[in-house]
Amino acid sequence: DIVVTQSPATLSLSPGERATLSCTASVSISTYVAWYQQKPGQAPRLLMFDASKRATGIPARFSGSGSGTDFTLTISNLEPEDFAVYYCQQRSDWPRTFGQGTKLEIK
Amino acid sequence: QLQLQESGPGLVRPSETLSLTCTVSGGSISSSHFYWTWIRQPPGKGLEWIGSIFYTGTTYYNRSLEGRVTISVDTSKNQFSLKMHSVSAADTALYFCARDDSYDSPGYDYWGQGTQVTVSS
Repeated sequence: DIVVTQSPATLSLSPGERATLSCTASVSISTYVAWYQQKPGQAPRLLMFDASKRATGIPARFSGSGSGTDFTLTISNLEPEDFAVYYCQQRSDWPRTFGQGTKLEIK
Repeated sequence: QLQLQESGPGLVRPSETLSLTCTVSGGSISSSHFYWTWIRQPPGKGLEWIGSIFYTGTTYYNRSLEGRVTISVDTSKNQFSLKMHSVSAADTALYFCARDDSYDSPGYDYWGQGTQVTVSS
């Protein structure tokens, strides 16, 4: 199975700052990565697909990049509603696998 | 607007079978663009992909659960289901069903609200 590793586990930042979240796959997966945001008590929400494409309704302050094994989700100018847990998922092969998540918390 | 709704018992005894159903409304489950997926989240932990099914019945499973898990689809009812055998406390989790758009925007674009399943005697 493809192992997906996210870092850091926790990121403490203030509103207005830039967040950089990393996701690494154990083998090359081209750009077959999706990112999700999950807030407490809610189902996850699709943010990005194909590594760099924003899902419907996702603000432009969210951006994704990367290919091969290393991927990044960047959130510029953090808003209070952005503080949540973020997951990346590889979609290159079955079984699909998620990273363990990065918690973005208010500093 | 597409909606997914999980249903099933909230409490399952150890060694018994967990059975959940996801009812899809506002769209057809019989589309060649989508897989239908089960994902779970143990308390305080991350997301675990359980498996996916295509409307034709083609399935893919998490290898760590394979042998205990069966996902099926009923196109006449616009539903898909999860059965997990021989459950233990480790299977206690919030179980989500989701639509996997494999065509336009590859990812889980619609989710159910989740249903809590506790394994306990």
